This record gives sequence, C-alpha cells and structure tokens, in this order.
Amino acid sequence: GAVVSQHPSWVICKSGTSVKIECRSLDFQATTMFWYRQFPKQSLMLMATSNEGSKATYEQGVEKDKFLINHASLTLSTLTVTSAHPEDSSFYICSASHTEYGYTFGSGTRLTVV
Amino acid sequence: QQQVKQSPQSLIVQKGGIPIINCAYENTAFDYFPWYQQFPGKGPALLIAIRPDVSEKKEGRFTISFNKSAKQFSLHIMDSQPGDSATYFCAPTIYNDYKLSFGAGTTVTVRA
Repeated sequence: GAVVSQHPSWVICKSGTSVKIECRSLDFQATTMFWYRQFPKQSLMLMATSNEGSKATYEQGVEKDKFLINHASLTLSTLTVTSAHPEDSSFYICSASHTEYGYTFGSGTRLTVV
Repeated sequence: QQQVKQSPQSLIVQKGGIPIINCAYENTAFDYFPWYQQFPGKGPALLIAIRPDVSEKKEGRFTISFNKSAKQFSLHIMDSQPGDSATYFCAPTIYNDYKLSFGAGTTVTVRA
C-alpha cells in the first residue's frame, strides 16, 4: 500500500516553455503532498508543501510564480515549471504522507531544459 | 542553522562488512526517525524507521539505534551486500504532521 506515481519520469523541453509534472497517490488519499528538488550528488531540498484545496506553502527562496503547484484532488498534485531555463534542469521528486506507511516518494522526474 | 547533520559523507566497505551511518538532530519535537535508501535516478524509499519510545529496531539486515538524550540515531547494515550500494538519508520529523528534514546523505559502496 501507499504507492505514489510520478509522471513523466524524464522530460526534455526547450528554454522558455512550461513543463507539468504529475504526482498521484494510487491507493490512498493524500491531503498533503510535498515537492522536492535534487541536484546531482546532493540531498533533497523541499520546494513546497501542497495542500488539497488550498494554496501551496513555498519554502524560502522558491519562486511561487516559477513553480506553480496545484492540488485539486486528494490523489493528484501537479508541479508546473513555467518559462523553464537551463538552470531549472534538475531531478524533481514528490512525496505524500500516509497515516500507516509514513512518507512515500514518487520515482522522480528528470527535467532537462535545452 | 542546520537541523540535521549526517555523517560520513561516503563509505566503502567489503561485502559482509557493517557500514554505520550517523544522524544528529536539534529539534526535540521530532518523534519519527526514518532512514531512506535511494538508488541513482529513483526516488527515496523508506528503509526503516523508529519512534522515540524504543532504543533499537531491527528489520532484516538493517538496524536503527536511537539515543534520545544525545539526539542521535544511526543506521547499521549487517552483512552488507553489493546490492546495498546506494545513498542513504536520515530525515527526522514530527510524524505525519510536518515536512521531513533530510540529512546531506551518505553514499555507501559495498565491494564484492
């Protein structure tokens, strides 16, 4: 139980375009989901906490207009990287909290902006 | 101020050895102490976790030791195998109510 599915697993986009990443809880309802960013050989950095039906809470230094988060249902949260630039290239990972199984992570999305 | 300090940064052991990874935290409100395992190109996966009411927990070859007074917990991998080669993160938190505070990570390499 407590499976989190993340799509796509990798994406390449042109500079200036927008990219949407989906995070779904497959067998449970997730009131809260988390979005992380990870650079090579570094730890996970929390970008924002996504709450169903309300605005996301962004960590200090994360541009909310750049990284749009929508948590429209109890099983889906999306992260849209707007007007992407090469410096946005990174590994993005979502996570959801389950009352019994704790925090479960998606498999991650490798974003490359060219 | 860094809330979580994980050490060492990397570790190389021979097959059958016992890599030990340590995690020190500052927030005394933390009540959930997990270790995550991450393989390249994948998201982290929960390996083992402990609550503060016990000092040790074993699951298969993985053991957590917890020292509440010292605000530290560690991961021991018994009889390590090459398949255990991965990056390990501690991420203490307030259970199901708060964001995870990830350590810097430890890259473990188990040589055959």
